Amino acid sequence: KQEVTQIPAALSVPEGENLVLNCSFTDSAIYNLQWFRQDPGKGLTSLLLIQSSQREQTSGRLNASLDKSSGRSTLYIAASQPGDSATYLCAAKNNAGNMLTFGGGTRLMVKP
Amino acid sequence: ETGVTQTPRHLVMGMTNKKSLKCEQHLGHNAMYWYKQSAKKPLELMFVYSLEERVENNSVPSRFSPECPNSSHLFLHLHTLQPEDSALYLCASSQGFGGSKTQYFGPGTRLLVL
Repeated sequence: KQEVTQIPAALSVPEGENLVLNCSFTDSAIYNLQWFRQDPGKGLTSLLLIQSSQREQTSGRLNASLDKSSGRSTLYIAASQPGDSATYLCAAKNNAGNMLTFGGGTRLMVKP
Repeated sequence: ETGVTQTPRHLVMGMTNKKSLKCEQHLGHNAMYWYKQSAKKPLELMFVYSLEERVENNSVPSRFSPECPNSSHLFLHLHTLQPEDSALYLCASSQGFGGSKTQYFGPGTRLLVL
């Protein structure tokens, strides 16, 4: 059974810092790995999706990497802004079906 | 409205009540999902419907009963819930099932069971 862990659970940084969020998964037979953002009281917004054959994906100030062999993914946020404050979730999709296994999330606070 | 909508946004119910959560997607998708997000546990998949047929039931207690009358609507009927069922219930949809189909999420219904 796939298990996904995110460390740290919470992170507070000053504005302008570059930061890395970590995600680890136990079953390396994944189809893809996805990073989501969740704002308080709102649903999830997909940020980046990395296929199992890819090493990384970039969107603006966000860069996500994937290392299947070590069971790890990272989300790099460059030049953080207060508007980046949210909970970031990673989710692994295994090869069968469309089931996503989510990590517990990292709650990020970027202070002005 | 666009995207995935959920009603109500907040719900308080007693353990003997019967209520229903509604999800509607305006994206032309044909797969819909119910997730549960508890305060102390990761987001958990509850049910998956593809082409209005239930394709996944992730060991959910029978006090939760899903219904998918058509590809745009998904309901979650609730009865005799327990306080530990208090959580944020999220609905999602995707075009197709399986592969790299991105799921689009609604804002959720925050449920409190007294």
